[in-house]
Amino acid sequence: DGGITQSPKYLFRKEGQNVTLSCEQNLNHDAMYWYRQDPGQGLRLIYYSQIVNDFQKGDIAEGYSVSREKKESFPLTVTSAQKNPTAFYLCASSPRSGTGKDLNYGYTFGSGTRLTVV
Amino acid sequence: AQSVTQLDSHVSVSEGTPVLLRCNYSSSYSPSLFWYVQHPNKGLQLLLKYTSAATLVKGINGFEAEFKKSETSFHLTKPSAHMSDAAEYFCVVSDGSSASKIIFGSGTRLSIRP
Repeated sequence: DGGITQSPKYLFRKEGQNVTLSCEQNLNHDAMYWYRQDPGQGLRLIYYSQIVNDFQKGDIAEGYSVSREKKESFPLTVTSAQKNPTAFYLCASSPRSGTGKDLNYGYTFGSGTRLTVV
Repeated sequence: AQSVTQLDSHVSVSEGTPVLLRCNYSSSYSPSLFWYVQHPNKGLQLLLKYTSAATLVKGINGFEAEFKKSETSFHLTKPSAHMSDAAEYFCVVSDGSSASKIIFGSGTRLSIRP
C-alpha cells in the first residue's frame, strides 16, 4: 500500500544533541512538508520541498534543517539550536508542487514522531 | 491575512446525539476550507473539503459541513455521534497561494459519552 512512513514513532534526545527524523513516501508525490504540533495548537509549517534538491523555509524553520536528495525522502534534523524541540512532528506529501492549492488535491500525512528532550 | 478560529477547544456529546464543531475563518481571497481528523498519536486524515463548489459538503464517516460566506463559518456536523468519532478535529483554511498560507486551527477535541 502507498503511504508515508515516519520513524521512529518516539524519540528521546538529550539537550545539546542533534537528531534526525525520517520521512519516506512511496506515493510518487512531488511535494513534501514538515509540520510541528504542540498541545492546543494547530500545525505549524517548518520546511517544505517542491522538488528534489530544493526546499523552502516555513513559519518556524529556526533550529531545524532538511534535505531532499531523493524524491521519496525528506528527513528533518532538529539541531541543538532549537530551543524547545519537544513536540509531535508530522510529515506530509502532496502530488503537486508545494503551493497552497495542494491541499485541494489532498495532503497525505504520516503517523508522526513524538520527540522528547530529556 | 488569513486566520481560522475553532470556537471550542473541547466538545463532549453522548453517543447517538448530534455533533457540532464550530469554525470561523477570515480570508482576503476566496478560500478553500477543510476539516481534518486526528486520532491519538496518528497523522491527520481529510474528512471533507470546500473548494468553491457546493456550499454543503459531505465527507467521510457521516460528517458534513456548510460554507456560509455571510457568517464566515464552516461548522462541522454529524447527526449521530459514534464512539469511534472521539478524536481531535482541525479546521484548515488555504488561499491556494503557497504552502505557508495554509492555516490550521488550534483543534477541537471531541469526546463521546457512552
